[in-house]
Amino acid sequence: GNSVTQMEGPVTLSEEAFLTINCTYTATGYPSLFWYVQYPGEGLQLLLKATKADDKGSNKGFEATYRKETTSFHLEKGSVQVSDSAVYFCALRSIQGAQKLVFGQGTRLTINP
Amino acid sequence: NAGVMQNPRHLVRRRGQEARLRCSPMKGHSHVYWYRQLPEEGLKFMVYLQKENIIDESGMPKERFSAEFPKEGPSILRIQQVVRGDSAAYFCASSPLTGASHQPQHFGDGTRLSIL
Repeated sequence: GNSVTQMEGPVTLSEEAFLTINCTYTATGYPSLFWYVQYPGEGLQLLLKATKADDKGSNKGFEATYRKETTSFHLEKGSVQVSDSAVYFCALRSIQGAQKLVFGQGTRLTINP
Repeated sequence: NAGVMQNPRHLVRRRGQEARLRCSPMKGHSHVYWYRQLPEEGLKFMVYLQKENIIDESGMPKERFSAEFPKEGPSILRIQQVVRGDSAAYFCASSPLTGASHQPQHFGDGTRLSIL
């Protein structure tokens, strides 16, 4: 079945550091890939997405590239801010079946000033 | 321009009681998904509904849990005879009519269910 594996957290960085959160997936066919962010006490917000191989999703300084050859969708940001502290979820959505989202376990990110 | 609305935000029940969680999708969205998030874990799919139809309930526990999305009104996730293990955050998401895989799902703020 479909699955997503994320880099385990928690991750703690200093402000302006470079961020990478690894995400790899297993899926039949060609799923769409998403990164969601969850702030404390809130629901998930879509951060970025990519729908086919070599697509790059970007938003708010975050980027992720859909790599079919390595089945990966790593999240990167060049210079993190304290306000980026949150839990980040990688997810896939298959073109088959119910098109439900399959999530990774989440990575808690803390940015210190 | 309301997003996905869930209520209540917090719900406390005693063991054996019933819990009803409500979700109103975004305007123009006719696909509703329910997910459960246990503490420090990712979200797990429970059920997918369209108006008056359950499309996929493969993630729902076989007993005590049910869901509906009537022609009028919000989607309801119902948990009967709650137990401590039902304590979790329950999230609803909606997507547009086409339900295509490239369409993102939009999430509500969740209902945090606590069982005493």
